[in-house]
Amino acid sequence: EDKVVQSPLSLVVHEGDTVTLNCSYEVTNFRSLLWYKQEKKAPTFLFMLTSSGIEKKSGRLSSILDKKELFSILNITATQTGDSAIYLCAVQGAQKLVFGQGTRLTINP
Amino acid sequence: EPEVTQTPSHQVTQMGQEVILRCVPISNHLYFYWYRQILGQKVEFLVSFYNNEISEKSEIFDDQFSVERPDGSNFTLKIRSTKLEDSAMYFCASTLSREAGVSKNIQYFGAGTRLSVL
Repeated sequence: EDKVVQSPLSLVVHEGDTVTLNCSYEVTNFRSLLWYKQEKKAPTFLFMLTSSGIEKKSGRLSSILDKKELFSILNITATQTGDSAIYLCAVQGAQKLVFGQGTRLTINP
Repeated sequence: EPEVTQTPSHQVTQMGQEVILRCVPISNHLYFYWYRQILGQKVEFLVSFYNNEISEKSEIFDDQFSVERPDGSNFTLKIRSTKLEDSAMYFCASTLSREAGVSKNIQYFGAGTRLSVL
């Protein structure tokens, strides 16, 4: 059975801190790993990763994939209160996305 | 920026009633999906749809569920006889392509419909 596990489930830090969110997976027919940010409702797309070792960056966010060890990390540097959200990791097999439980990140001022 | 639109944002219904959840995918997208998220649980895949046919469905998607693309823009999820355990947030998603590892393969999500079955 396809499985995606995220850790930690919850994280509280102060503004300006750097955080690392983890995602491990076991999925047949791996195609890609995606990170989404879920604030109020809709998961909004952050990154798609398909190849090992290639870091994707967008501003203060970055992510990398290790297809040998079957995990990915999402880093956020110089965190801001607007980064508070649930971060979802999802892995795509043939068609569907298999989601992890999410990491609830809270940034305190 | 194009977005997936879902209506209504909140639907309250009585157990046993039929509900139809509506989605307008991004206009040039070809592949459509429904997911659901029960409160406090993971987002779960329900069904994928392409070329007017279901292409994959999960165990959750039983005979009580159906999907339809009644015209060129809408994509609907029908639950025939709702149960208490159908209470969840239902997300619609769409993508342009299924080609592996390309940006056209990214699934974009709507804001969801919260279904409350009483």
